[in-house]
This record gives sequence, structure tokens and C-alpha cells, in this order.
Amino acid sequence: SQQGEEDPQALSIQEGENATMNCSYKTSINNLQWYRQNSGRGLVHLILIRSNEREKHSGRLRVTLDTSKKSSSLLITASRAADTASYFCATTLIQGAQKLVFGQGTRLTINP
Amino acid sequence: SAVISQKPSRDICQRGTSLTIQCQVDSQVTMMFWYRQQPGQSLTLIATANQGSEATYESGFVIDKFPISRPNLTFSTLTVSNMSPEDSSIYLCSARDRGPEGAFFGQGTRLTVV
Repeated sequence: SQQGEEDPQALSIQEGENATMNCSYKTSINNLQWYRQNSGRGLVHLILIRSNEREKHSGRLRVTLDTSKKSSSLLITASRAADTASYFCATTLIQGAQKLVFGQGTRLTINP
Repeated sequence: SAVISQKPSRDICQRGTSLTIQCQVDSQVTMMFWYRQQPGQSLTLIATANQGSEATYESGFVIDKFPISRPNLTFSTLTVSNMSPEDSSIYLCSARDRGPEGAFFGQGTRLTVV
């Protein structure tokens, strides 16, 4: 079964606006990761945040983690048409063999 | 970062037949995984491919249906056996090392069973 849920399931915004996606999970984690997938192709790793971190930045990406609420958010600032993709959060559980468990994903569309 | 080559990239197969998907990593990796992604859905882990031993399957997936090999630290295969239309999905190979690092993914195999 999936570990996490993401919302919104779909998000459509204008180019230049910021996009925020949220992820919730159920059990204790070692870390949480965000991935991007373009048109059913392979996934690309974007950013990883450890369970003892609260916020992390990478370029136009900002990730937050609230372990008390078991939730994370991904913010993409100054969005571009090329950001159009599906975004998935994935967790590595404390108990488990280092496998990734994926959320349901958010389909992001950036309108020019 | 590791580069994963997965093939075939797509195939259309007759029901009742089997397809073997290959995954080649350009460097030695500790862990390799196989995922299934049904249309419009998220990724579901099929199994962890263990080097030199039997794969570890997730609930709902069995070795007879999805036999997996991993003869060394850079290569793995997944076979989808006795296929039915319900097996139509994207199958993705993934690799990572131990520690807090992200995983790498192949480009996926888009399988259509007719």
C-alpha cells in the first residue's frame, strides 16, 4: 500500500507563479525525497530531506518537513513551462530495507 | 550519479506470452528495485533484486509471475510471465546505494498486452 498521500492531485498555474505541493505519510521515516516524472518516463530525483531537517533549498526548489504532522511540502518558485510534470514524494522508512515508498503524485501544469 | 539503461523501452505483447526487461547500471550499486506504474497511477514496488540470491517480493507480487534475476551488482532482469491485459503498465528499474541518497531510475518499459 502507498505510504503517502499528496495534494493537490492536479495543479494548473501560470508561468512565473509559485507552485506548492503537499505530501503526507503514515509511519516514521529516515528521509523524504521528491521526484519529477515527465510524461510517463523515468523519475528524476530532485531533493532529499532527512528526518532531522526542517527545510532544504535547491535552486528554485524549497522543501519543508514536519515530522510531528508527518507532512512535507515542495515549493517551486518562478515556475516555467518546463516544470510541467508529475511530482512524487517518496519515503524511506525507519523499519524496512531501504526501499522507497511513493505517494500518489501531483500533476503540475504550467501555462505559458 | 548512476546512469540506468533499461530495455526494451516499449513493447506490445500477446496475452499468455512472457517478456523479459533488462536493466543495466553503469556503476556498481548496492540495491536494485523493480516498480510498476499503472496508467495515471503512482509507483508500486514489485520487489527488491538481491545480488546472487532470490528477490524479495512485496505483498501481492509473486516469483512465478515476476521472476527476477540479479547476477551481479550492475545488472538485473524482470520477467513478466503469462501476461494478461491487466499487466499493461510501465515497469521501472531503480538503483541506489545505502545511505541518505536519492535513487536513480531507468526510462521505463511501456508494456501493452493485447
